[in-house]
Amino acid sequence: EIVLTQSPATLSLSPGERATLSCRASQSISNKLGWYQQKPGQAPRLLIYDTSNRATGIPARFSGSGSGTDFTLTISSLQPEDFAVYYCHQRASWPPVTFGGGTKVEIK
Amino acid sequence: EVQLVESGGGLVQPGGSLRLSCVSSGFSLSDSYLDWVRQGPGKGLEWVGRIRNKANSYTTEYAASVKGRFTISRDDSKNSLYLQMNSLKTEDAAVYYCARVTGVAIDVWGQGTLVTVSS
Repeated sequence: EIVLTQSPATLSLSPGERATLSCRASQSISNKLGWYQQKPGQAPRLLIYDTSNRATGIPARFSGSGSGTDFTLTISSLQPEDFAVYYCHQRASWPPVTFGGGTKVEIK
Repeated sequence: EVQLVESGGGLVQPGGSLRLSCVSSGFSLSDSYLDWVRQGPGKGLEWVGRIRNKANSYTTEYAASVKGRFTISRDDSKNSLYLQMNSLKTEDAAVYYCARVTGVAIDVWGQGTLVTVSS
């Protein structure tokens, strides 16, 4: 099973600041990593697939990078609607499908 | 609009059974792999299982935590996905999401249905 470890667990930032979220895989997953955003009471929403490809309708302030075992989601300038929990997900090897434990981006 | 809508959640006693349903609108399920993902109260996302499409014989995969207790099925003629949950435990309490799997991501999620397991 591929374990995904996200850090930090919580990120406290102000609107307009840059957010950098990390996801580390227990073994190489090539570029087969996605990122999801979840707001309270809502379903997850796909942001990024295959490390760096934005899903339809996702603003350019969201970007992804990395390869192998280390990946990053960057939000260049936080907007009020970006405060949420973010999960990474790997599709390189399943079953099982695995998700990271999440990073909460909260208002400082 | 592409949408998935779950139903069937509710309160069930430990050891009981429940069947969840998920219906699509705005697209046909038939070509897709489909997942069930759950989220316990205050917790992260946990994959429950996956069913492949007809071309891949509708085969299924399950998380170790539910294998032997949960069964995923589908009826493409009804654009529907199902999750039969037996021998429920308190730790199965969660919001259950159905989701569409594409070649690159889990790209469409339902709004979720709440399952409570309590005596």
